[in-house]
Amino acid sequence: AQSVTQLGSHVSVSEGALVLLRCNYSSSVPPYLFWYVQYPNQGLQLLLKYTTGATLVKGINGFEAEFKKSETSFHLTKPSAHMSDAAEYFCAVRGDNAGNMLTFGGGTRLMVKP
Amino acid sequence: DTEVTQTPKHLVMGMTNKKSLKCEQHMGHRAMYWYKQKAKKPPELMFVYSYEKLSINESVPSRFSPECPNSSLLNLHLHALQPEDSALYLCASSQDFNARNTEAFFGQGTRLTVV
Repeated sequence: AQSVTQLGSHVSVSEGALVLLRCNYSSSVPPYLFWYVQYPNQGLQLLLKYTTGATLVKGINGFEAEFKKSETSFHLTKPSAHMSDAAEYFCAVRGDNAGNMLTFGGGTRLMVKP
Repeated sequence: DTEVTQTPKHLVMGMTNKKSLKCEQHMGHRAMYWYKQKAKKPPELMFVYSYEKLSINESVPSRFSPECPNSSLLNLHLHALQPEDSALYLCASSQDFNARNTEAFFGQGTRLTVV
């Protein structure tokens, strides 16, 4: 069965610092991977996705993620954090489960200090 | 139009009430989903409709009753809920249930409080 692990339920960075949110997955078939962001009391918004092709994926709001098959990872990065990046971030995989359902990680809350 | 619209945004209901949550999308998506999200947790899948037919029911209690009147609309009928059912209910849609490389688009959610 597929699964997603997000290391660190809370990450705190200073404004202007590098953001690194970690995501590791397991899947018995080539996975499709997604990062979503959720602001308080709102729905989930897609930041970026990896399906096939280039392993470095660029998304909205300056975020990017790199698919590393050998490390079964799909970490999310942003060179310079902004206060508006404070939110909950979810990594998700669509892999080998019946029905092609998304499996979400536990989420990482990003806090940005001024 | 890449929006999934949910109404109402907030709902407070008593344990004996009957209410409905509504979800609408006009992206031509043929898969629609209901998720339940508790505080500080990821969304949990409840139901999946594919081409207006119920494809997946994740062992959800019968006090939650989904309905898909047409390809653009998805309802969730609520009856005799319990306080522990209080949560954010998210609707989502995707192009096709069997297309692995397509993302799900989420609505803003309905914040449900059962008193």
